[in-house]
Amino acid sequence: AQTVTQSQPEMSVQEAETVTLSCTYDTSESDYYLFWYKQPPSRQMILVIRQEAYKQQNATENRFSVNFQKAAKSFSLKISDSQLGDAAMYFCAYRDNNDMRFGAGTRLTVKP
Amino acid sequence: ETGVTQSPTHLIKTRGQQVTLRCSSQSGHNTVSWYQQALGQGPQFIFQYYREEENGRGNFPPRFSGLQFPNYSSELNVNALELDDSALYLCAIRGWNEQFFGPGTRLTVL
Repeated sequence: AQTVTQSQPEMSVQEAETVTLSCTYDTSESDYYLFWYKQPPSRQMILVIRQEAYKQQNATENRFSVNFQKAAKSFSLKISDSQLGDAAMYFCAYRDNNDMRFGAGTRLTVKP
Repeated sequence: ETGVTQSPTHLIKTRGQQVTLRCSSQSGHNTVSWYQQALGQGPQFIFQYYREEENGRGNFPPRFSGLQFPNYSSELNVNALELDDSALYLCAIRGWNEQFFGPGTRLTVL
């Protein structure tokens, strides 16, 4: 079964600094998608960034970028120029045709 | 904007009761998934519906069942509630290469 592991239960970053959240996954599939979702206290799950496994180029969305290492099955999220509004739970997620799995999450605190 | 809505927002039930949670969206996406998110954990996949048929299921017992209607709204039904069913229940509709989540229903089982 596919598993998603986030090894950092909590992370902290100073405002305007950069932070990297880690994620590893396990799968035997070759075609899949990876996601990072943000869940603020409002509970709404918000998509941050998406990566298709067949694409070698790392996805980037403004201040958010990923380091996708397919062979190592690693998918980390880098947040640059951190803002107070970035504080939330961040979930790494894997999806193929039949399944979608989430990691346990990383709580990100942003210090002013 | 997909406008995924869920009702009710909060719900309190007692052990052994049955509950129905609802999900709808403004758009006509035909794939809906349900997730259970226990406190402090990531969402766990319950099942997925496509064109009114269940076409994927996670590791949840049969007392978790669902329906999808012709207008693509959906229901999650849980029978014989247990204390461990207390969680946030999320529905999500599948768009192109991503899912759009609703705000969730917080279920408390006493």
